[in-house]
Amino acid sequence: GESVGLHLPTLSVQEGDNSIINCAYSNSASDYFIWYKQESGKGPQFIIDIRSNMDKRQGQRVTVLLNKTVKHLSLQIAATQPGDSAVYFCAETQLFGNEKLTFGTGTRLTIIP
Amino acid sequence: EAQVTQNPRYLITVTGKKLTVTCSQNMNHEYMSWYRQDPGLGLRQIYYSMNVEVTDKGDVPEGYKVSRKEKRNFPLILESPSPNQTSLYFCASSSFLAGAFYNEQFFGPGTRLTVL
Repeated sequence: GESVGLHLPTLSVQEGDNSIINCAYSNSASDYFIWYKQESGKGPQFIIDIRSNMDKRQGQRVTVLLNKTVKHLSLQIAATQPGDSAVYFCAETQLFGNEKLTFGTGTRLTIIP
Repeated sequence: EAQVTQNPRYLITVTGKKLTVTCSQNMNHEYMSWYRQDPGLGLRQIYYSMNVEVTDKGDVPEGYKVSRKEKRNFPLILESPSPNQTSLYFCASSSFLAGAFYNEQFFGPGTRLTVL
């Protein structure tokens, strides 16, 4: 996950625009990555995952890109809606080795109406 | 309804007074885990369990205990809470699918703990 910091990165996007949230992971042995969405007062919610044998995976309005060379992960949200406002976390683990799940510090996405 | 439940949702206690936060899931999931969430630090894994009677330390296990006597329950125990354990705690569960146990990890609603 990203290095620990006291300030949560923020991103403000106009409703209807696309948004890109970035995440740098630290463990080169990680081979499975997940994006979670956390709305205020709720627990994290699974959005999309990707294994290291892929560099792109698409879901409904979301796309995850993985660049193993630079250990970078991104989440693209198309045609953002007010309900997309939340904190987004990336997480990394090893599928068949270390079962620990390590989260990044998160990015707060705000959709401007 | 498929869900992960935690109790209590809010707890204020004093240093040294043993407490237990319960976690229960009704999805027959093998994998369960506890996380704490602190401002600016994201979620950090405390303990996890691959199945009944199998538990392992996460990244921040100090000061916590867990048990997995039944598949559905995974309580978090603080034997002697200290103020640095004031945090928001989440329990989560998921199933194994071809060895991939993070296929849609379900999180509980969270327990906000304050230790005075």
